[in-house]
Amino acid sequence: NAGVTQTPKFQVLKTGQSMTLQCAQDMNHNSMYWYRQDPGMGLRLIYYSASEGTTDKGEVPNGYNVSRLNKREFSLRLESAAPSQTSVYFCASLGSFGANVLTFGAGSRLTVL
Amino acid sequence: DQQVKQNSPSLSVQEGRISILNCDYTNSMFDYFLWYKKYPAEGPTFLISISSIKDKNEDGRFTVFLNKSAKHLSLHIVPSQPGDSAVYFCAAILDSNYQLIWGAGTKLIIKP
Repeated sequence: NAGVTQTPKFQVLKTGQSMTLQCAQDMNHNSMYWYRQDPGMGLRLIYYSASEGTTDKGEVPNGYNVSRLNKREFSLRLESAAPSQTSVYFCASLGSFGANVLTFGAGSRLTVL
Repeated sequence: DQQVKQNSPSLSVQEGRISILNCDYTNSMFDYFLWYKKYPAEGPTFLISISSIKDKNEDGRFTVFLNKSAKHLSLHIVPSQPGDSAVYFCAAILDSNYQLIWGAGTKLIIKP
């Protein structure tokens, strides 16, 4: 069981370039989340999807877009990357609210020059 | 404005002793708290949780205590083992969509 898989693990971009971070889960979970983690700060929610076909903004959505392609996949897109988006990005999924446990991917380290 | 605070960026403890990690929160509406553990180059993994209707929850070597009047929770690890060396995050559930508010983390180092 792979759990939550993120690609790529590392990426370097130039300011203004675009890219998409991919996330897939094989646990048949309904809810999926994108977080970013910066030094000295906790994880901050960018966007989430409570179910297939729905997406909502989290705490720091500016500069990002998301797509819930199907139940398994939830992608995060940077249309015009900025140095402030240099961060480690984590995707997570949640089976049911009662479980109260997020399963995370291993992270994607993005550097914007 | 940080609603969940972990004021110790790092903590060093001798193997076999007790590790105590602290977390403070400001929002009295939080009613469920979780601790996650993170190793380098991996995502966080769930460790233990506590509901606001309890003041203690235990799971093996890990115990979480909640003091609602002080808006404070702590994670106790007894005895501490080398494999416990990791970053520990405290988090609170914000709403019914399971949005979490996270602390900045405490890096725990267990010395042999």
